Amino acid sequence: GQNIDQPTEMTATEGAIVQINCTYQTSGFNGLFWYQQHAGEAPTFLSYNVLDGLEEKGRFSSFLSRSKGYSYLLLKELQMKDSASYLCAVGDYKLSFGAGTTVTVRA
Amino acid sequence: GAVVSQHPSWVICKSGTSVKIECRSLDFQATTMFWYRQFPKQSLMLMATSNEGSKATYEQGVEKDKFLINHASLTLSTLTVTSAHPEDSSFYICSAGGTGDSYEQYFGPGTRLTVT
Repeated sequence: GQNIDQPTEMTATEGAIVQINCTYQTSGFNGLFWYQQHAGEAPTFLSYNVLDGLEEKGRFSSFLSRSKGYSYLLLKELQMKDSASYLCAVGDYKLSFGAGTTVTVRA
Repeated sequence: GAVVSQHPSWVICKSGTSVKIECRSLDFQATTMFWYRQFPKQSLMLMATSNEGSKATYEQGVEKDKFLINHASLTLSTLTVTSAHPEDSSFYICSAGGTGDSYEQYFGPGTRLTVT
């Protein structure tokens, strides 16, 4: 089975940096995804890590350490529109999601 | 590209009735679609994997006779909630993709079901 943990809530100031951690224990691992979900909407894809290391995509970066069962999503230069829930998911064609981290960006 | 639509976006039905939710891939063919359910402030829970032309694969604890899934074409999968009860009220989301090099899934906008 899959056990995926991430913090419930985080608050940060506009323009700041926030790091959302995700730890996982899985029976098999094929990749780790990060999705953004605004309230009442479907998730949108942010990143996918299959190998160890950092993947950078604009203001968002994602890191993976397979040996530690650990990933983080780094959000830089926070904007108000970044207030959302961020979901960590593990799997390949079939995903298991963490409960999500609600990020609130304050002015 | 890679747009997935769902219909309806929200529906209210009476207890005991059935509701059908459609999921369409608009600009690509999806041999595999997924159905998720999300309760307020909780994560997405995979209900079933829908394969075109074959029976759906249900996750443990999901009643296949209550949640009927049909994937009759490469662009359409349907989820029918039969004999709905208030506890079935939830946000139902479909996704397509999850194959190829990236395994990226494309999510539909979701359907809010309220059973009264």
